[in-house]
Amino acid sequence: DAGVIQSPRHEVTEMGQEVTLRCKPISGHDYLFWYRQTMMRGLELLIYFNNNVPIDDSGMPEDRFSAKMPNASFSTLKIQPSEPRDSAVYFCASSPQGPFNEKLFFGSGTQLSVL
Amino acid sequence: AQSVTQLGSHVSVSEGALVLLRCNYSSSVPPYLFWYVQYPNQGLQLLLKYTSAATLVKGINGFEAEFKKSETSFHLTKPSAHMSDAAEYFCAVSVKYRNFGNEKLTFGTGTRLTIIP
Repeated sequence: DAGVIQSPRHEVTEMGQEVTLRCKPISGHDYLFWYRQTMMRGLELLIYFNNNVPIDDSGMPEDRFSAKMPNASFSTLKIQPSEPRDSAVYFCASSPQGPFNEKLFFGSGTQLSVL
Repeated sequence: AQSVTQLGSHVSVSEGALVLLRCNYSSSVPPYLFWYVQYPNQGLQLLLKYTSAATLVKGINGFEAEFKKSETSFHLTKPSAHMSDAAEYFCAVSVKYRNFGNEKLTFGTGTRLTIIP
């Protein structure tokens, strides 16, 4: 298996633009997580899905953030409109167990820079 | 709610020297504790975990951590640092409630380890 695949690896955009981050989890994993990593706050859980259904989105910072999982092999995290303070590394992770255990498989992340 | 505090956002050690990365936790119930490592441009990988069995836990790459309830600590150590150990290390905590399974994994803010040749 290729592991969790995220795209793009880097995204540079201007304030106000829409940003879409993509994730392909490991096949057979029922849980998918979106994390945001910043120097100040470390790694924060934004939202997670179980069998494509959003279970807990309490970590989503604002209504500008939304996430979808239309099928078992694809998820998106969208920011509209983007702001400079959204600059961070966004990680997607999947797990065969859940909801919260150490068997998380992380993607390589998307480095987002909002100018 | 549970939390972890990592003391020192940056730690530098010489190659061959002892590595000590500090983590203190806060939890109202017995916790599960983890250390993850993140190499440049990669996602996190599990290094080791404590789940209420042996208090001294051995992980990959020669790392180990000791759970000390009296000190609410779970420090990560390695006797001799190698250049390949340069990475960011995250401590994390999870708790298990009898009727509700595990609470969510809460990460610390990370410690960047630099190895000096």
